[in-house]
Amino acid sequence: AQSVTQLGSHVSVSEGALVLLRCNYSSSVPPYLFWYVQYPNQGLQLLLKYTTGATLVKGINGFEAEFKKSETSFHLTKPSAHMSDAAEYFCAVSHSGTYKYIFGTGTRLKVLA
Amino acid sequence: DAGVIQSPRHEVTEMGQEVTLRCKPISGHNSLFWYRQTMMRGLELLIYFNNNVPIDDSGMPEDRFSAKMPNASFSTLKIQPSEPRDSAVYFCASSLESISGTSGNTIYFGEGSWLTVV
Repeated sequence: AQSVTQLGSHVSVSEGALVLLRCNYSSSVPPYLFWYVQYPNQGLQLLLKYTTGATLVKGINGFEAEFKKSETSFHLTKPSAHMSDAAEYFCAVSHSGTYKYIFGTGTRLKVLA
Repeated sequence: DAGVIQSPRHEVTEMGQEVTLRCKPISGHNSLFWYRQTMMRGLELLIYFNNNVPIDDSGMPEDRFSAKMPNASFSTLKIQPSEPRDSAVYFCASSLESISGTSGNTIYFGEGSWLTVV
């Protein structure tokens, strides 16, 4: 069965500091991996995704994530945090042959001035 | 292009009343998902439609919940009778998928219907 674990339900960083949000997955078949962002009172919006090919994926707003099969990880990073990055971030996994997207429990990012 | 459109955005209702949430998926998408989001349980898939047909409703919590998709551009999620524990944000999402499953296509979420049952 597939699963997603997001370490840290809350992460605080200073403005300008590195953002690192962790995601580990479990899948017996090659996964499709996603990061979504949810701003207050809004729906989820895709940041980036990995399906096949290059393991370093670049998304919107300066975010990127690297698929590491050996570590079963898909951590999200951004070199320099901005106040507008404060939101909740969800990692999700799916795979070919299923319609189900398994979402993690989310990480709330707080950016300190 | 218009995204997934949900209505109402906010609803406050009394326990025992019927609640109907509405969704218009993105034009051309053939898959529709209803999710529920709560602090305690996170994002839960309630039901999945492909080409207007319910494929998996195993996430529907109980018989008080029902969902329909009469055509490719409209779906409803109904709760009757509503209870306070149904208070949550209900998201509709759509994507383009084959019947055999995803190819990693993005699912697009609406802005949610925020339901409070008092």
